[in-house]
Parts: sequence; structure tokens; C-alpha cells
Amino acid sequence: GAVVSQHPSRVICKSGTSVKIECRSLDFQATTMFWYRQFPKQSLMLMATSNEGSKATYEQGVEKDKFLINHASLTLSTLTVTSAHPEDSSFYICSASLGLAGTDTQYFGPGTRLTVL
Amino acid sequence: QKEVEQNSGPLSVPEGAIASLNCTYSDRGSQSFFWYRQYSGKSPELIMSIYSNGDKEDGRFTAQLNKASQYVSLLIRDSQPSDSATYLCAVNSWGGGGADGLTFGKGTHLIIQP
Repeated sequence: GAVVSQHPSRVICKSGTSVKIECRSLDFQATTMFWYRQFPKQSLMLMATSNEGSKATYEQGVEKDKFLINHASLTLSTLTVTSAHPEDSSFYICSASLGLAGTDTQYFGPGTRLTVL
Repeated sequence: QKEVEQNSGPLSVPEGAIASLNCTYSDRGSQSFFWYRQYSGKSPELIMSIYSNGDKEDGRFTAQLNKASQYVSLLIRDSQPSDSATYLCAVNSWGGGGADGLTFGKGTHLIIQP
């Protein structure tokens, strides 16, 4: 099956620092990758859609200058949380899609739990 | 705004019984429907996808889709304690020009009682 990895799985940082999260599709090339955020007892909320070689598309209310997304290759997308603050503490999950016509199944990475002190 | 509604539960079902999970969605243009299972502290795991009206069976799981009623359901037969988790309904309005992000419901917390 399609496997997506994320690194790191858990990170604790001080307020004001930046954190980079990597998302990799291990056994397939992902035309499109997505970044979601999940707060405690809430559902997943889409933050942005990332297409290889182009700028990410951000959902309404998500600051593009704070959440920098780079999709440099068909197997790697990165999310950088710049100047992180405690309210950014959340579970960040990426997913990848094969992008095939007629099927848009997304495969999720294991997630990164960010805690900002 | 696209919305996906689920009863948050908890839904308690005896072991061996059928668990029935329901979901409604607001966007009539939605074309792809998914059920994910999420254990506490973990990321979602795909259970089923369904694209056409009717039933789709995979092992102990059956997904049902009724686009006219904007309703999706998931049946779990012979429920096992390991099925205890939060089940997320997700919807995608596949536009044909590329993949779109999923809209998730808040999930139904299912408890299978031994």
C-alpha cells in the first residue's frame, strides 16, 4: 500500500522559534500533498494543498507567511511553522494523493505533535 | 461552506454486534466519500472509499452512499474490541482538475464492549 512518513513525530520548542516538519511518500510519487491540523477533541482541518513545483494553496484563515510550505519533489513536502507560539501547538498531519483520474484517495502520515512552550 | 456532520457519540455496541455509523454532508457537488479510523493520538487510517450510490463491502465493513439524501454510512459487522476508535467521515468535491483537500466530520467515538 501507499506509505507516507513524517518527521519528526514529536517536537517541543520555545515560543518564537521555527519548526520544520517533513512529509515523504515512500513508495509512490505524490502529485499533491496536503497539510492538516488537528486540535484536541477536534477533527482534522485542511491547512493547505501543496503541488510539486508550484506555490501552495492555503485555506481561508491560514497565514501563508507563518506556515511555509515547500514541495520540492514528488516525494517530499515540508511545512515550516515560523515564529511558533503556544496557540500553534497541535497535531500536524500530512497526506499524499496519487492524483490519478477517478480516484483521490489520500494516504496519511503518522503525524507530528508540536508543543510550543 | 462545506460541512460534514457526524454524531460524536460515544456509540457503545456489544462485541459481535453490528455497529452503524452515519454521516451527512452539505455540498451536493461532493463526489468522493471516505471513512477513516483514528485511534487516540494517531493519524487517520483509511477504512473505505465510496464513489457511487449503493453499498460497497470490504470484509466486515460496508459503506453505503445515498447522494440524493446526502448521506453516507458505515456498517461494521461482528464488532471487535479492536474496532473501538473514532471514525471520521470525509468528503471530497473532486473537480477533475486535481485533488482537493478533504472535509472531515468531527468523528464518532465507537466503543465495542466485550
